[in-house]
Amino acid sequence: DTEVTQTPKHLVMGMTNKKSLKCEQHMGHRAMYWYKQKAKKPPELMFVYSYEKLSINESVPSRFSPECPNSSLLNLHLHALQPEDSALYLCASSHSRGTENEKLFFGSGTQLSVL
Amino acid sequence: GNSVTQMEGPVTLSEEAFLTINCTYTATGYPSLFWYVQYPGEGLQLLLKATKADDKGSNKGFEATYRKETTSFHLEKGSVQVSDSAVYFCALIQNQAGTALIFGKGTTLSVSS
Repeated sequence: DTEVTQTPKHLVMGMTNKKSLKCEQHMGHRAMYWYKQKAKKPPELMFVYSYEKLSINESVPSRFSPECPNSSLLNLHLHALQPEDSALYLCASSHSRGTENEKLFFGSGTQLSVL
Repeated sequence: GNSVTQMEGPVTLSEEAFLTINCTYTATGYPSLFWYVQYPGEGLQLLLKATKADDKGSNKGFEATYRKETTSFHLEKGSVQVSDSAVYFCALIQNQAGTALIFGKGTTLSVSS
């Protein structure tokens, strides 16, 4: 199994809603990532978890709250989002971090629209 | 700081044409270099990588050589197909703990039959 599975594929939410994005991998990877990608732009790193501990938070607003319940799962909790938060949210995983052989496996993403 | 610069797109080619997408980088030390591809409606997939100077990465007919003297990692393919239409991202990572992948802005390739 070399997949990173993200759910849901599409999400529409209002600015007062609370929702969660989910990501799962069963490759034994110990590093997991959240990226945000706007249309026709490169992915921007949001968070990195290494061995289930948050190791990088790229100054992301607190309305985005990551969670890594175990080594296979990564969640992104959303609350009080703004329309400009509409984007494709990509999850990725890798064996570990900071090595020259780091290869990221990406999920297909959740297309989020905030109304 | 570290950065990746890619040629502006879109790149429009006919099937079987030769492809070059330029990528140059700025980094302290000796990063590892990658090309990722994103097909419409999908996440990114690793296309190829090189971890040290003069290494050549190759996959699916695509090639790129890590050139330290010109700080470049240009992507080439001798004969493109319609199915190669996608967005291509050049990326680097510093080989030390506590860093993460840095992407270029991406180049859209459109191949017509």
